[in-house]
Amino acid sequence: EAGVTQFPSHSVIEKGQTVTLRCDPISGHDNLYWYRRVMGKEIKFLLHFVKESKQDESGMPNNRFLAERTGGTYSTLKVQPAELEDSGVYFCASSQLGFEQPQHFGDGTRLSIL
Amino acid sequence: AQSVTQLGSHVSVSEGALVLLRCNYSSSVPPYLFWYVQYPNQGLQLLLKYTSAATLVKGINGFEAEFKKSETSFHLTKPSAHMSDAAEYFCAVSDGNDMRFGAGTRLTVKP
Repeated sequence: EAGVTQFPSHSVIEKGQTVTLRCDPISGHDNLYWYRRVMGKEIKFLLHFVKESKQDESGMPNNRFLAERTGGTYSTLKVQPAELEDSGVYFCASSQLGFEQPQHFGDGTRLSIL
Repeated sequence: AQSVTQLGSHVSVSEGALVLLRCNYSSSVPPYLFWYVQYPNQGLQLLLKYTSAATLVKGINGFEAEFKKSETSFHLTKPSAHMSDAAEYFCAVSDGNDMRFGAGTRLTVKP
């Protein structure tokens, strides 16, 4: 089966610009998660979708971040306008429903804000 | 609220030596615990998981971890390190809703 795919793998933009990250989960996985890792620190939770609904968005830093998952398939994470502190690696993960189900991760998008 | 503490951001061992990566968790409910590994420029791969069955969990690549409730620990071990084990390792805890990760431990294996 195809794994979780993320696009782009790298993005370099200037402060104030807009960037949209995309995640395609494993087919059939209703859970979709976004995480961010900044400069070797811990992987921080951003938000969790169950199908197309936001289950938990408590980790979203501020209203410059907007996540969508229309139709319950792929998801996008938009940052507008980007700030320097938004730099980091953004990971997407998906899993089947069920408490013990492990999350399957994409390779991440490395975002650099200049 | 749940959290994970990984003791030691960097661990260095010689090839063939024991690998021990430490993880302590905090959870208000019986936890699900995971170890993930990340190789350079890749996503996280699941090594093993604890879901309230056997307390000693065996994973891929010869790794295993033991759940100790009294110590709130879930340390990762491997009897004999291989050069290919060099990577970053993450411990994670889930309360059934969302997962929280530790800061990671980078393992270096010396020839």
